[in-house]
Amino acid sequence: AQSVAQPEDQVNVAEGNPLTVKCTYSVSGNPYLFWYVQYPNRGLQFLLKYITGDNLVKGSYGFEAEFNKSQTSFHLKKPSALVSDSALYFCAVRAGGFKTIFGAGTRLFVKA
Amino acid sequence: GAGVSQSPRYKVAKRGQDVALRCDPISGHVSLFWYQQALGQGPEFLTYFQNEAQLDKSGLPSDRFFAERPEGSVSTLKIQRTQQEDSAVYLCASSSPFGGIYEQYFGPGTRLTVT
Repeated sequence: AQSVAQPEDQVNVAEGNPLTVKCTYSVSGNPYLFWYVQYPNRGLQFLLKYITGDNLVKGSYGFEAEFNKSQTSFHLKKPSALVSDSALYFCAVRAGGFKTIFGAGTRLFVKA
Repeated sequence: GAGVSQSPRYKVAKRGQDVALRCDPISGHVSLFWYQQALGQGPEFLTYFQNEAQLDKSGLPSDRFFAERPEGSVSTLKIQRTQQEDSAVYLCASSSPFGGIYEQYFGPGTRLTVT
C-alpha cells in the first residue's frame, strides 16, 4: 500500500535554530514528493517538490528538503527558523495514476 | 481570478439534505482535484478531472458523492443525503499542465457541518 508518514505531530524550535520536519513514504516506483504549508485560516500553499535530479531541493521561504531513496525519506529543513514559520506542514507523494497522498501533518511552533 | 476560489465557505446541512459545493480553478488550469480533510488529518483524495473528463474517482467514499466539470472549468461536488460522517473541509485544487506531477494550488475550502 502507498502511504506517507509524518512521525511527529508537533515540532518545537527556538527562533534562529535549524528546524527539521520529518517525512517517510512508501510507494511503488519512482516517487514524486511535495511539501505544503497551511497557515491559520488560509489554504494549503506549495513549498517545494522533488521529481528527479538533485536530492536536495530548495523551495519557498528558505525551506529545503532532502530526498533519500535508501531511507525513503523526504525531510523538510530550514537553517534558521522564524516565528512566522509557525504553521501546519504536510508532506505528500504522488501515487499511481493521479492520486496524491498526504501525510497527517506536523504542527511547527517557533518560539521567539 | 488570482487563485482558486470555493463557495460557500461554510455550509450547515441537516442530515439527509443534499449539498453542492463549487470550485472555480485558476484560469487555464487543466487539472482539478477534490479532497476531503477531516479535523486533524491531511487531505484525502476524492476525484480528479482533466478538462471535463473525470479520470479518477477512486476516492469518492460512496455513491452519494458525485462530481462534475461539464465545461472543463468550474467544478461542483455534490453530496446526496448527507450523513454526519460527511462533516469535513472539502478542498479543491488546480494544477497545470497535466496530472499530479506539478504543484497544486488549493482553494480555501468549504467547511461542511452535518447536524
